[in-house]
Amino acid sequence: DAGVIQSPRHEVTEMGQEVTLRCKPISGHNSLFWYRQTMMRGLELLIYFNNNVPIDDSGMPEDRFSAKMPNASFSTLKIQPSEPRDSAVYFCASSFSGGGTGELFFGEGSRLTVL
Amino acid sequence: SQELEQSPQSLIVQEGKNLTINCTSSKTLYGLYWYKQKYGEGLIFLMMLQKGGEEKSHEKITAKLDEKKQQSSLHITASQPSHAGIYLCGADISGTASKLTFGTGTRLQVTL
Repeated sequence: DAGVIQSPRHEVTEMGQEVTLRCKPISGHNSLFWYRQTMMRGLELLIYFNNNVPIDDSGMPEDRFSAKMPNASFSTLKIQPSEPRDSAVYFCASSFSGGGTGELFFGEGSRLTVL
Repeated sequence: SQELEQSPQSLIVQEGKNLTINCTSSKTLYGLYWYKQKYGEGLIFLMMLQKGGEEKSHEKITAKLDEKKQQSSLHITASQPSHAGIYLCGADISGTASKLTFGTGTRLQVTL
């Protein structure tokens, strides 16, 4: 079975440009999470969705960040305009929240570099 | 300040040696997850602990959650180069069983 699929794996862009990161969760999972990982701050939760509805976006740094989940099989995280401090690895994870361990399954991450 | 503190931040051990990584919180850990990450890759689930005093083992890795459910340890016996990576603890500290907060990780190197 395919795991969580993220694209692009690597993105290098210039300050001020729009960046869109994409995620396809595991089929059947009903929760989706966007995390950001940096050396300084570790792995931070940005936003999570349950049944395609944003539940908690308190981790989104500022208005430049937005996330959508138009259907159960696709989500995007957009940064507009991007800044050098946004450079990080962005992970998408999904889970089935309805019993079981609630284990999060992570994608391989999207490494963003903003020059 | 971090809600989940991991120690040590980094560790270098010789192959065959035992090691322990700790994860501590001032809040109750309603669910405690251990993950491993290799450089440039995603996180791989290792184990999950829920009950105070619970202990689980998989191959040479043992994880424990203390009775108060505020501290967990991950112990590796007879370390191997394949154990190298970053170990992260993640926990449900909100009690809502909806999201995980992660520690900053422990970077493990295993030398020959």
